[in-house]
Amino acid sequence: DTAVSQTPKYLVTQMGNDKSIKCEQNLGHDTMYWYKQDSKKFLKIMFSYNNKELIINETVPNRFSPKSPDKAHLNLHINSLELGDSAVYFCASRPRGRTEAFFGQGTRLTVV
Amino acid sequence: GNSVTQMEGPVTLSEEAFLTINCTYTATGYPSLFWYVQYPGEGLQLLLKATKADDKGSNKGFEATYRKETTSFHLEKGSVQVSDSAVYFCALSSSNTGNQFYFGTGTSLTVIP
Repeated sequence: DTAVSQTPKYLVTQMGNDKSIKCEQNLGHDTMYWYKQDSKKFLKIMFSYNNKELIINETVPNRFSPKSPDKAHLNLHINSLELGDSAVYFCASRPRGRTEAFFGQGTRLTVV
Repeated sequence: GNSVTQMEGPVTLSEEAFLTINCTYTATGYPSLFWYVQYPGEGLQLLLKATKADDKGSNKGFEATYRKETTSFHLEKGSVQVSDSAVYFCALSSSNTGNQFYFGTGTSLTVIP
């Protein structure tokens, strides 16, 4: 069973559309993250949630909004998509008391 | 602030060659250090970690030692295989900054038979 599951794996959409990426972890972890990986493979934190509460919100456009309906889910909604939003988005989770994070398979978003 | 610097790639090695990928960091407090690996088309997998100075992380023949005096966490493997071809990321995490992860730019490794 995949521990951190993201859907969809690939997403191709037109500029101006609104889309969502879902993330679920079945590990019972308290902390979840969203990271963006650009075309040069650079990874940058976007958001972090701990027990459904937002604890890190880096400088990302407010078109990006995370939503955590429960501790096992952290979904990413993106409004008014732009070409520059094309990237691979990774969800991750971290157990309480541990230092390492576990990553999902990534969602490759292509805006055309 | 926190940051990670790792050697630029790409790196191309012959099978059974010795691998070193350099990584240095800047951090406040006492971070934990990690190496993650990303195989083509896949997500990041934890390769190894070290949580305090002088700790050595090891896994699948890879090793890295947390050197506080040189702020380094270099990745080494004595004999690489074709299956080790991937992108390797050095990272740190610190409770001072909400346990978010700071990644290096990644080093692409290709091992040729």
